[in-house]
Order: sequence, then structure tokens, then C-alpha cells
Amino acid sequence: KQEVTQIPAALSVPEGENLVLNCSFTDSAIYNLQWFRQDPGKGLTSLLLIQSSQREQTSGRLNASLDKSSGRSTLYIAASQPGDSATYLCAAVNQAGTALIFGKGTTLSVSS
Amino acid sequence: NAGVTQTPKFQVLKTGQSMTLQCAQDMNHNSMYWYRQDPGMGLRLIYYSASEGTTDKGEVPNGYNVSRLNKREFSLRLESAAPSQTSVYFCASTYSLGAQGEQYFGPGTRLTVT
Repeated sequence: KQEVTQIPAALSVPEGENLVLNCSFTDSAIYNLQWFRQDPGKGLTSLLLIQSSQREQTSGRLNASLDKSSGRSTLYIAASQPGDSATYLCAAVNQAGTALIFGKGTTLSVSS
Repeated sequence: NAGVTQTPKFQVLKTGQSMTLQCAQDMNHNSMYWYRQDPGMGLRLIYYSASEGTTDKGEVPNGYNVSRLNKREFSLRLESAAPSQTSVYFCASTYSLGAQGEQYFGPGTRLTVT
């Protein structure tokens, strides 16, 4: 059974710092991996989707990488801002493409 | 485009009562999903509909039923609510015939069962 783990559960950084959020998954046979952002009391917003054949995807200050062989993905946030404060979730799509398996998220706090 | 909409936003039920959570999307998406989010448990899939006319169980389907009314609408029904069903419920949709596409989420329904 696929399990997705995110470490750390919470992270506090000063504004301007570059940071990395980690995601690991137990079954490397994934269809793709997706990163989401969730603000308090809100739904999830898709940030990046990495296909299983890709190594990384970039959107603005965000860069996500995927290493299927080691079962790991990272989300790199450059020059963090207070507006980046949120919970970040990663989710692996199983190889059959039928379901997203979510990690429990990393709650990021960026102080000004 | 409104995206994915959910009603109601908040609901309080007594144990044993029934209710239906409504979800609609206006993006012509094929697949729709119901998740629940609980502290310490993360998001878990309840039911999904990979295309109009089909529904399948997810990880935690017990106590729930679903209806894919048409391509736009996917409802979740609690027949006899229990305190263990206190949670935040999210509906999501994607254009792909399956979960592999980018998923769009609704704002959630916060349900309390007393």
C-alpha cells in the first residue's frame, strides 16, 4: 500500500530564505506526483504536477523535483515571502491512475 | 468560471440524521472525487467517479453513498450520521479520466456530528 510522508510537519523561516520541503513515498510505481498549497480554512490549490518520466517542474519561485528510484520529491521555494505561509501537501498518483495518496503536509510560516 | 462549488459550507447534525453534500464543477471535467480531511490523518479518498455514470469506492467509503447525477454534479450522502464522520469534506475534479490530471478542489464543507 502506498504511503506518503512529509517531513518536517512544521517549519518556520525568516523572509527571504530559500527552503526545501520534503516528500517521500514507499511505492516507486507512481503515475505522477502533485504538490498543493492549502491556506487555513480553504481548499487545496494545485502548484505543480510532475509526470513520472520528468525530473522537475518549475513555476515562478517554486521548483519541484522527483526521484522515483529513491521515492523522493522536494519542493524548493526561493526567496520566501510572508504570503507563502500555508500548508504544503504532496500527493502521489498510483500507477493505475485512479487515486491520489496524500501526505499529511508541512505547515510553513514565513516571518517578516 | 466558478470552478468547483460545494454546498453547504457548514453543517451541524445530530447522530442518526441524514444529509447530502452537493458538489458541482463548470470546467467540463470528467473525473470527480470526495475526500475527507481530519487532523493527524490527512486527506483520504471516500469515493470517486472516473467518468459520468461510474462510481468507485476509495479508502474510507463506509457510511457514505454517492451519486454522479450528470457530468457536472457529484453528491455525497450520509444516511445515518455518526460522530466519527465529523470532518471537513472536499470535492475535487480533473479533466482526465482518472486521477492523473491536475485536480481542482472546492472550498470544503465543515461537518460536525453531535
